[in-house]
Amino acid sequence: AQTVTQSQPEMSVQEAETVTLSCTYDTSESNYYLFWYKQPPSRQMILVIRQEAYKQQNATENRFSVNFQKAAKSFSLKISDSQLGDTAMYFCAFMSPRGQNFVFGPGTRLSVLP
Amino acid sequence: ETGVTQTPRHLVMGMTNKKSLKCEQHLGHNAMYWYKQSAKKPLELMFVYNFKEQTENNSVPSRFSPECPNSSHLFLHLHTLQPEDSALYLCASSQEGRTGPFGNTEAFFGQGTRLTVV
Repeated sequence: AQTVTQSQPEMSVQEAETVTLSCTYDTSESNYYLFWYKQPPSRQMILVIRQEAYKQQNATENRFSVNFQKAAKSFSLKISDSQLGDTAMYFCAFMSPRGQNFVFGPGTRLSVLP
Repeated sequence: ETGVTQTPRHLVMGMTNKKSLKCEQHLGHNAMYWYKQSAKKPLELMFVYNFKEQTENNSVPSRFSPECPNSSHLFLHLHTLQPEDSALYLCASSQEGRTGPFGNTEAFFGQGTRLTVV
């Protein structure tokens, strides 16, 4: 079974600084999808960024980018120019082809400090 | 607004009650999921429906019963729950890449139902 690990339960960063959240996963599949979600106090899970495993190029979405290392099974999220609104729980997720397995890591609580 | 709608947003029920949670998506997605999110615990995948067929169960107690009448609707029927079942229940839907086997895959969540069992 696939597992997702986030080794940083909590992190903090100063406003406008850059922070990197770590994620590792375990799978025997060669094609799959990886996601980062943000869950603010409102509880809504918001898709931040996604990566298809067959793509070599790292995904980017405005201030958010990933460092995808397929051989190491690592998928870290970098947030540049951190904003107060980035304060939230961040979850890393793995999805197998056809979506039959969609599992999440335990989350990292990020606090952006003014 | 993600395109995935869950109702009700809040639910308080007694241990002998029967209730249902509803999830609806009109994104054209072909897979839907139920998750349980408890305090200080990881998201637990409960059920997966792909093309209306259940593909994962994950050993969920029988007091939780899913139903997927079509690819746009997903229900979670609840009966004789326990206080430890109190949690946030999240629904998600996904679609593999429309432009090819693995391109533009997306997955969105509803806002969740906060369930309290008394």
